[in-house]
Amino acid sequence: ETGVTQTPRHLVMGMTNKKSLKCEQHLGHNAMYWYKQSAKKPLELMFVYSLEERVENNSVPSRFSPECPNSSHLFLHLHTLQPEDSALYLCASSQDREGNYGYTFGSGTRLTVV
Amino acid sequence: SQQGEEDPQALSIQEGENATMNCSYKTSINNLQWYRQNSGRGLVHLILIRSNEREKHSGRLRVTLDTSKKSSSLLITASRAADTASYFCATNAGKSTFGDGTTLTVKP
Repeated sequence: ETGVTQTPRHLVMGMTNKKSLKCEQHLGHNAMYWYKQSAKKPLELMFVYSLEERVENNSVPSRFSPECPNSSHLFLHLHTLQPEDSALYLCASSQDREGNYGYTFGSGTRLTVV
Repeated sequence: SQQGEEDPQALSIQEGENATMNCSYKTSINNLQWYRQNSGRGLVHLILIRSNEREKHSGRLRVTLDTSKKSSSLLITASRAADTASYFCATNAGKSTFGDGTTLTVKP
């Protein structure tokens, strides 16, 4: 266990469904991140939260909606997704938003949109 | 644009051999990190080297950093089948971005 826990590990959802991915970190880190990893593509940074405030949103479609209720929890709410949204979604945390001490990743949620 | 780019894209070696992967980046950095990812899993942090360091060791891993060439290398000595994974570098210049990674296959 890395100290960053993601649930669920696997998720299959229809295009009309609404679901949420959850990430929890027990490391006392101040920044949390959502990344998307599609087959044969580099990791794409989606959102960055620092001290519960969203500080970065990299042109992500509005069908992905992040939420950070406190510094230990991060959610990614999903609705009306497309099949091309199928990917591995990774959550990460770091001590500071600059990543001066590296990043700790969760095991990811494998999302399949049917 | 990607900040860290790994080379080669794929590497296949026999167990016991050394594996070397390279990373190039574009802008000034505070540090550079290497990660390993087993298939379908999250990334595991291996080693972080700061911009004022030239070389760092951790077990069978050796990382070098050449800021004048904006490049880094990761050497895995005496490789094992369990080292089979994808390896990524990430740089820190305000935010961290990852390259495509090097896929290492170690044959038993």
